[in-house]
Amino acid sequence: DAMVIQNPRYQVTQFGKPVTLSCSQTLNHNVMYWYQQKSSQAPKLLFHYYDKDFNNEADTPDNFQSRRPNTSFCFLDIRSPGLGDAAMYLCATSSGGHEQFFGPGTRLTVL
Amino acid sequence: GQNIDQPTEMTATEGAIVQINCTYQTSGFNGLFWYQQHAGEAPTFLSYNVLDGLEEKGRFSSFLSRSKGYSYLLLKELQMKDSASYLCAVTYTGTASKLTFGTGTRLQVTL
Repeated sequence: DAMVIQNPRYQVTQFGKPVTLSCSQTLNHNVMYWYQQKSSQAPKLLFHYYDKDFNNEADTPDNFQSRRPNTSFCFLDIRSPGLGDAAMYLCATSSGGHEQFFGPGTRLTVL
Repeated sequence: GQNIDQPTEMTATEGAIVQINCTYQTSGFNGLFWYQQHAGEAPTFLSYNVLDGLEEKGRFSSFLSRSKGYSYLLLKELQMKDSASYLCAVTYTGTASKLTFGTGTRLQVTL
């Protein structure tokens, strides 16, 4: 009955090696979000899609990109991961203005 | 800015009652969410307040005062499994349901 699915749950990459995290949803929600959460900190919004409309947060580094090929899927691309990008990456969905449903997260390790 | 303030840590005894406070900037306020997050896991939805007053849901209740920019989460009959971080998050008008999170309150339930 998984509603927001993230793959992989754990990802290890090397410094500077591009990595893609994926998120899919079965809720048919029109809004999808990507958050970065570092240890003992609150989730920090990177960007979100309202349908196909991409909205980047002003302080999201250019190193982070996103794609949403259809309603169900959304990808987070980190072009050149640095050590400071090691974090939990959370995908969430909502039907606009209501509760956000979070996926289980992908924990990224950068070596 | 839209600072959301919560205590960093709290400790309470099993079976007791604990209240976790949250204050936020009132300008443009739309709604307030409480999420529970266990270590290494994604946030899970607890409550949503739009109007003033108390919303009760089992052992958990959430209160909102829009004029004061104040909310609290009340946990009754504490159990060991309630040890987690509790995140207060606010949506503001004109921000397409983006959540602005507080830094979270880490609750430790002891015997």
